[in-house]
Amino acid sequence: DAKTTQPTSMDCAEGRAANLPCNHSTISGNEYVYWYRQIHSQGPQYIIHGLKNNETNEMASLIITEDRKSSTLILPHATLRDTAVYYCIVRGLKTSYDKVIFGPGTSLSVIP
Amino acid sequence: KAGVTQTPRYLIKTRGQQVTLSCSPISGHRSVSWYQQTPGQGLQFLFEYFSETQRNKGNFPGRFSGRQFSNSRSEMNVSTLELGDSALYLCASSGTGGNTEAFFGQGTRLTVV
Repeated sequence: DAKTTQPTSMDCAEGRAANLPCNHSTISGNEYVYWYRQIHSQGPQYIIHGLKNNETNEMASLIITEDRKSSTLILPHATLRDTAVYYCIVRGLKTSYDKVIFGPGTSLSVIP
Repeated sequence: KAGVTQTPRYLIKTRGQQVTLSCSPISGHRSVSWYQQTPGQGLQFLFEYFSETQRNKGNFPGRFSGRQFSNSRSEMNVSTLELGDSALYLCASSGTGGNTEAFFGQGTRLTVV
């Protein structure tokens, strides 16, 4: 069963912030939220991850709700090169990758 | 630091043939996982190797096999290829410790005709 749910697709105007939501209502206390993105026909690219605090790196910000049941990935100034499928997954400290489910993700289209 | 390298990038094979794909993980990473990605099924876990041992295996037939060498490089083999094996095969490496992200290679695009 999928442990995360994401909208199928989203559009964002170039230069604006892209806010990609993810629901993970059954997340366990030791599970982290990871975000990856996949540009067409390339391998998924790691973006960011977090446990309960908000995180920021050079690519994006991750906002996790206080109850940890949902999160939002923020691309502050979307460019055309951010057009990709974005995957939100949850994984515990000792969870091997056979237990990690990559759902269909959100297809983000950045529009000029 | 070099990323995960997969070879070849593209491959065309005929039904019934076998194929071997290669993955070189990031230096120092000992865990290598393989995935199959098709348009209808998304990313499907194949197997995971750590220190030359297969730790986990996904729900794929025995035609799919793999191995890992002492330098952590990994290969996967598919025998008796079927048309449905056409897919993007992805390899990911990760370091030791639980809170480590996986880094993916660019994948090998296999087409079976």
